[in-house]
Amino acid sequence: NAGVMQNPRHLVRRRGQEARLRCSPMKGHSHVYWYRQLPEEGLKFMVYLQKENIIDESGMPKERFSAEFPKEGPSILRIQQVVRGDSAAYFCASSPGTARQETQYFGPGTRLLVL
Amino acid sequence: GENVEQHPSTLSVQEGDSAVIKCTYSDSASNYFPWYKQELGKGPQLIIDIRSNVGEKKDQRIAVTLNKTAKHFSLHITETQPEDSAVYFCAANAAGNKLTFGGGTRVLVKP
Repeated sequence: NAGVMQNPRHLVRRRGQEARLRCSPMKGHSHVYWYRQLPEEGLKFMVYLQKENIIDESGMPKERFSAEFPKEGPSILRIQQVVRGDSAAYFCASSPGTARQETQYFGPGTRLLVL
Repeated sequence: GENVEQHPSTLSVQEGDSAVIKCTYSDSASNYFPWYKQELGKGPQLIIDIRSNVGEKKDQRIAVTLNKTAKHFSLHITETQPEDSAVYFCAANAAGNKLTFGGGTRVLVKP
């Protein structure tokens, strides 16, 4: 049973470009979460999605950031017009979506570097 | 919102000794407390979790205790081994399934 998959693992962008991060949840999981980790810090919640629905985006910056989880295909975290402060590791987690207090399983992350 | 504090930020132990990491949380509505281990360049890996209806849970060399009244929970690793060296994060959920993480503890097990 494959775990949570993220790609790319490393992404380099110049200021002003767009970054597109992909996440495929574990098989059978219908809930996806995105977290951001700055160097030497803990993970910060960004957004929680179900298929075709954003449940909670309270941790996501209002501008330049967007997320989706379409009916078919992976979840996408999109960062437009990247700035140096967006450099971080972005982790996706998934859970089955059948109850509250669900265990979240994390992917290996995408490390974004903005030059 | 929820706030999770974690201590210590670094912990150095001799192989075979025990390691204890402590976390406090602010929101009494939190009812699920997972612990994750993160190795360099990798994603967080769940090592143990506890729900608010129990006070203690154990899995081999790892145990977690929860004190709901005091709003704190702890991770105990016994008989530490070099492969236990990593960064450990505690977390708590409050609103829905969103997790709030502590700042992390860097554990170094010296052989």
